Parts: sequence; C-alpha cells; structure tokens
Amino acid sequence: AQSVTQLDSQVPVFEEAPVELRCNYSSSVSVYLFWYVQYPNQGLQLLLKYLSGSTLVKGINGFEAEFNKSQTSFHLRKPSVHISDTAEYFCAVKDTGFQKLVFGTGTRLLVSP
Amino acid sequence: ETGVTQSPTHLIKTRGQQVTLRCSSQSGHNTVSWYQQALGQGPQFIFQYYREEENGRGNFPPRFSGLQFPNYSSELNVNALELDDSALYLCASKAAGGTYNEQFFGPGTRLTVL
Repeated sequence: AQSVTQLDSQVPVFEEAPVELRCNYSSSVSVYLFWYVQYPNQGLQLLLKYLSGSTLVKGINGFEAEFNKSQTSFHLRKPSVHISDTAEYFCAVKDTGFQKLVFGTGTRLLVSP
Repeated sequence: ETGVTQSPTHLIKTRGQQVTLRCSSQSGHNTVSWYQQALGQGPQFIFQYYREEENGRGNFPPRFSGLQFPNYSSELNVNALELDDSALYLCASKAAGGTYNEQFFGPGTRLTVL
C-alpha cells in the first residue's frame, strides 16, 4: 500500500515570505499525487495534482509542486504567502489499484504579519 | 452546480449509541467515499460506494456501514459508538471511469462521542 510522510507538523512564516511544505511518498512506481488545503471548520479543497507529464505542477492560489521521482518527493511551494494561506495542508497519494486517497498527517501553515 | 453537502454539521452522541450521517453527491457523480479525520490527523479512508454497492473498504470494523441510494446520495452508519469515533467525517464524490477523476469533498460532519 502507498503512504505519504509530511515531515513538518507546523511551519511558521511571515507574510510575503516564500514557503515550502515537504512531502515524501513510499513508492517509486507510477503514482498520482495531490495536495489539499483545509481551512478551519471546512472540508478539503484540491490545490493541485500530479498524474503524469511535466514534473512541475501549478495549482490554485499561486501554489506549485515539483514531482521528484529519484527522491520520491512532492514538495509544495509558494513564492510569497498571504495571511489567508493560514490553513492545514495535506499531501495525498492514490493507493495502488484502487481509487482511494491515502493522506499524510498534515502540515499547519501559520502566516503572521 | 451544487457541490457536495453533508448533514448534520455537528452531532453529539454518547458511547454505545448509533449515528447516521448523510451526504449528497455533486451533480453527475455516481461514486461516494467516506473518510474519518481524527483531531490532528489526516483523513482515513472508510469505504467507497458505486452503483449502490460497497466496492472498497479501509481498516474499519463492521460497525461502520453505509448505503448509497439511486440518486447517489449516501449514508454512513456507525453502531455502538466508542469515544475514539469522535472525529470529522468527510464525504467525497466523483464521477466513475477514466484514469483518475477528482474527488470533491464536502464540509464534513463533526461527531463528538461522550
């Protein structure tokens, strides 16, 4: 079964600074990878996904992620964060042979003025 | 286009009781999945329904059961509630077929078991 590891439980950053949220996945076999955002008291919203093709994936709200097969990583980046980006971010992988998602434990992004 | 909706928003139950949570799929979606998200954790897959039948299940005991109706709405039932069942329960719907179809999540139902 696939798994993902989010290396940071919390990332504090100042507004307008760049940020990287780290995610590593378990297998180098063909994978589908995702980043979701969860605002307080809300469900999950898809930020971006990697299914195939270009390893640099651009998503909503200025986020992007790079698929790195050799390092089995899919780190999320944003060049300049806003206060409104404060939320919980989840990395997920589609499980092998079945269309369920396996989520990491989440990274809380805290953006301060 | 109406998104995924869930009811109720919040629920408080006591240990040993039974609970039913409801989900309405996004228009055109015929597959529904349920996830449990405990506090401070990522969502965990419970099961998936397609054409009114369960076609995949995570590591959850049989007291977690579900239904999908002809209009593709769905219910999650949990019997003999335990304290550890306290969590946010998320429903996600998607269209079937294709290499991968995006799942759209509802806002969740927060269940508290006392």
